[in-house]
Amino acid sequence: KQEVTQIPAALSVPEGENLVLNCSFTDSAIYNLQWFRQDPGKGLTSLLLIQSSQREQTSGRLNASLDKSSGRSTLYIAASQPGDSATYLCAVESGGSNYKLTFGKGTLLTVNP
Amino acid sequence: GAGVSQSPSNKVTEKGKDVELRCDPISGHTALYWYRQRLGQGLEFLIYFQGNSAPDKSGLPSDRFSAERTGESVSTLTIQRTQQEDSAVYLCASSLRLAGGERAKNIQYFGAGTRLSVL
Repeated sequence: KQEVTQIPAALSVPEGENLVLNCSFTDSAIYNLQWFRQDPGKGLTSLLLIQSSQREQTSGRLNASLDKSSGRSTLYIAASQPGDSATYLCAVESGGSNYKLTFGKGTLLTVNP
Repeated sequence: GAGVSQSPSNKVTEKGKDVELRCDPISGHTALYWYRQRLGQGLEFLIYFQGNSAPDKSGLPSDRFSAERTGESVSTLTIQRTQQEDSAVYLCASSLRLAGGERAKNIQYFGAGTRLSVL
């Protein structure tokens, strides 16, 4: 059974700081790994998708890496801004007939002005 | 529509009542998913539809939960005889059903969810 763990559970940083969020998964047989952002009262916004054959993906100030063999991914946020404050979720698709995503519990990020 | 739409956004009900939650996926998305997010927990997969069929219902937590999809579009999640432990945010997602070598590119797009409170 796939399990996804995110560390830390919460993080508070001053504006402008670079930061790293961590995600680990127990079964390395995945199709992809996705990072999402969740704002209070809103749905999930897909930030980055890394295919199992890829090592990293970049979008603006975000960079996500994937080490499938060790079951780890990191989300790097450069020059953090107060608008980055949200919960960040990591999810993997492990195959099978139902295409389901297995999620971690998330990291609550607060960027202070 | 432009995105996944869910209704109602909030639902308060009394224990023992039935509730229906609705999801309108992105037009053209053949795959549709329901997830549940209880307070302090990660998102929990409930059910997946390919077209109007649900090949795997094993994620539904009990026989009080059922779901259907019609016209390869709208889906309804029904919870009968609601219990307090059913209180959660119910999220719907849709995607193209990419298969084979394209499967790794499959992105799920989420709605804003329905917050269900059972008193």
